Amino acid sequence: NAGVTQTPKFRVLKTGQSMTLLCAQDMNHEYMYWYRQDPGMGLRLIHYSVGEGTTAKGEVPDGYNVSRLKKQNFLLGLESAAPSQTSVYFCASDRQGRTGELFFGEGSRLTVL
Amino acid sequence: DAKTTQPPSMDCAEGRAANLPCNHSTISGNEYVYWYRQIHSQGPQYIIHGLKNNETNEMASLIITEDRKSSTLILPHATLRDTAVYYCIVHPAPIKAAGNKLTFGGGTRVLVKP
Repeated sequence: NAGVTQTPKFRVLKTGQSMTLLCAQDMNHEYMYWYRQDPGMGLRLIHYSVGEGTTAKGEVPDGYNVSRLKKQNFLLGLESAAPSQTSVYFCASDRQGRTGELFFGEGSRLTVL
Repeated sequence: DAKTTQPPSMDCAEGRAANLPCNHSTISGNEYVYWYRQIHSQGPQYIIHGLKNNETNEMASLIITEDRKSSTLILPHATLRDTAVYYCIVHPAPIKAAGNKLTFGGGTRVLVKP
C-alpha cells in the first residue's frame, strides 16, 4: 500500500516554462488536495477536488490549474512558472465523510529560476 | 474556521511527557480540534482529533477543556523522533462533497533533547 505518491520529487524550471505535478493515491479516497509550503511557513491550500471530474479553488489558486480525470490521480499544472512559485508542494487525500484525517505525500520541491 | 494560537517553539526532554498547548477561544460548537505534525521535509502526519471528550490513541492524548477554548496534546514519552512542527487546527465536521480544507498555520516547533 503506497498511500499518496507524488512525482517528480524535485524539479528546476526556468521562468515561463510549464510543468505538471502528479499525485496518485491508492486508498480509493474521494477527496484530494494540493498545498504549497514556503520556507518557515505553514501550508496553504491551492486547489482541491471532492470527486472525479470536479475541482475547486483553495486559498492561493492563481497561476495553477488542476485536473481530476481519474479518481486516483490529481494533477497540478503550472502553465508559465514564476520565481514566486518556488516552493514545496504537498498532495493529500482523505475519505468522504471522515473527519479531517488527511494522508499526505512526501512533497515535490520546485525551484523556478 | 476558528483561529488557533500556539507557542512558536518549545523544548522537552527525551523520555518525559511533552505537553503542547493550543488556544482556540473562538471555536464553534460543530468544530473539531485536529493535531498534525510535520517532521523535517516530510509531509504532515495526522495525530489525533476530538470534539468535546478527551481522546487517546497510540501516538498521543488530546485533552480539551470543558469550555473547549483550549486544548493540550500530550506525547507521553517523547523520543528524539518526535522532534517536529506540531499543528493545532480547528475545522468543522465534514459536509458531504465539501472536502476537509484544513488550514495549517505556523505551529509549534518542538525539539526533543537527549
